[in-house]
Amino acid sequence: DQQVKQNSPSLSVQEGRISILNCDYTNSMFDYFLWYKKYPAEGPTFLISISSIKDKNEDGRFTVFLNKSAKHLSLHIVPSQPGDSAVYFCAARSSGNTPLVFGKGTRLSVIA
Amino acid sequence: DAGVIQSPRHEVTEMGQEVTLRCKPISGHNSLFWYRQTMMRGLELLIYFNNNVPIDDSGMPEDRFSAKMPNASFSTLKIQPSEPRDSAVYFCASSFPGRSGNQPQHFGDGTRLSIL
Repeated sequence: DQQVKQNSPSLSVQEGRISILNCDYTNSMFDYFLWYKKYPAEGPTFLISISSIKDKNEDGRFTVFLNKSAKHLSLHIVPSQPGDSAVYFCAARSSGNTPLVFGKGTRLSVIA
Repeated sequence: DAGVIQSPRHEVTEMGQEVTLRCKPISGHNSLFWYRQTMMRGLELLIYFNNNVPIDDSGMPEDRFSAKMPNASFSTLKIQPSEPRDSAVYFCASSFPGRSGNQPQHFGDGTRLSIL
């Protein structure tokens, strides 16, 4: 039973446009949400996070939105660049230093 | 600063052989996690340690899998005997002690394991 779901396996976006990656979760105990980016033959790298006391967190071109009542979060990348092409993982945890539960990832392709 | 270091990067071996994957966490990190990535199941947690002590190994698929952390700077994941369905990418991650749930885990580059 998947607790974190990324329903779009892939997404293609033109360079300069907005990329929106979505993530849904089922466990209401999750309070922290993290996004990771993964290039081929490398490990996932941390991108941005948000806690449930916020509904938005921004870092440069990356913004994460959280809708706790809908158990939904999204990652916005604007403007998208070819170097953003990677697999993006959504992850969640309930508290502290507990393990992250990952979605299956969305492969983003930014086309020049 | 060195990140999480995993070895080997690639391992190809025959069914029935013993496989040992190694991980050196980031210095000062006190939590260590082993994940397995497959197309079907994505990134799934196998086991994690806090302060070298195994906390949750419920993700370890079978008794053929075992993990140890003899000290703060080294961990191994062993599969004996190996089977073709164990073929996957195995990641090790570590994290800094902290109460914040925003504390990220830092991943190594993984070991790609192929069992023939």
